[in-house]
Amino acid sequence: QVQLAESGGGVVQPGRSLRLSCAASGFTFSSYGMHWVRQAPGKGLEWVAVIWYDGGTTYYADSVKGRFAISRDNSKNTLYLQMNSLRAEDTAVYYCAKEVYSFGEIIARYFDSWGQGTLVTVSS
Amino acid sequence: DIQMTQSPSSLSASVGDRVTITCRASQSISNYLNWYQQRPGKAPNLLIFAASSLQSGVPSRFIGGGSGTDFTLTISNLQPEDFATYYCQQSYGTPYTFGQGSKLDIK
Repeated sequence: QVQLAESGGGVVQPGRSLRLSCAASGFTFSSYGMHWVRQAPGKGLEWVAVIWYDGGTTYYADSVKGRFAISRDNSKNTLYLQMNSLRAEDTAVYYCAKEVYSFGEIIARYFDSWGQGTLVTVSS
Repeated sequence: DIQMTQSPSSLSASVGDRVTITCRASQSISNYLNWYQQRPGKAPNLLIFAASSLQSGVPSRFIGGGSGTDFTLTISNLQPEDFATYYCQQSYGTPYTFGQGSKLDIK
C-alpha cells in the first residue's frame, strides 16, 4: 500500500534553514505529482508547493516563494522541501501528499495519500 | 488566488443526525472540489473528489454536491467516528487553496 513518511523536522532558529524529506513507497513515485501542505498549531491546512512527476515544473504559495524549494529524486523515491530564511510563522506540521490527476470519465485532481507529518518549530 | 469559504466554521450534532457543510469558491472552479476529513493529531483523509465522487473505502453516508462556485458535503446518520474537522479544497489551479475548516463535534 501507499506509504509516505516525512522526516527532518525539528526546532530551528529564525533565519536558519531546514530540509524536509518524504520517503515514498507502494506506488510508482516517478508517475505522480507531489505536494507539501502545512498546518500551523491549531489552524487550518495551507498548501505550500507542488512538483510535477518529472520534477520539471514547480509552483509555490506566495508565503514561501523565494525561500522554499521543492525537489524530488525519482531514483530514491524521495520528495524534499528545502526551507531557508525560516520565520516564526513557518512553524507548522508539514505533510507531503500524493496527487492523483485523472483524465478519464471524471476529470479530477486530488490528494489521495498523505504522510503522518513532521513538526517544524521556528523559535529562538 | 481562489478563495474558499466554508460554513459553518463549527457545528454540533448528535449520533444519527444529518449535517451539511457548505463551501463557496471566489470564482468558478467547475467540479475541481475535494473534501477531506481530519481527526485530531492525524493527517487529512480524502472523502470526496471532483465535487461528488466518493473515494474508495469511504462510507456512502458522505455525499458531495455542487459545481461552479457552490458546493456541499452532507453526512447522513452521523457515527461517532465522524466527529472531526472537514476541509474543502479547490484543485482548479495553483495555489490549491483550502477552506478554513468546519469542526463537527458531539452535541
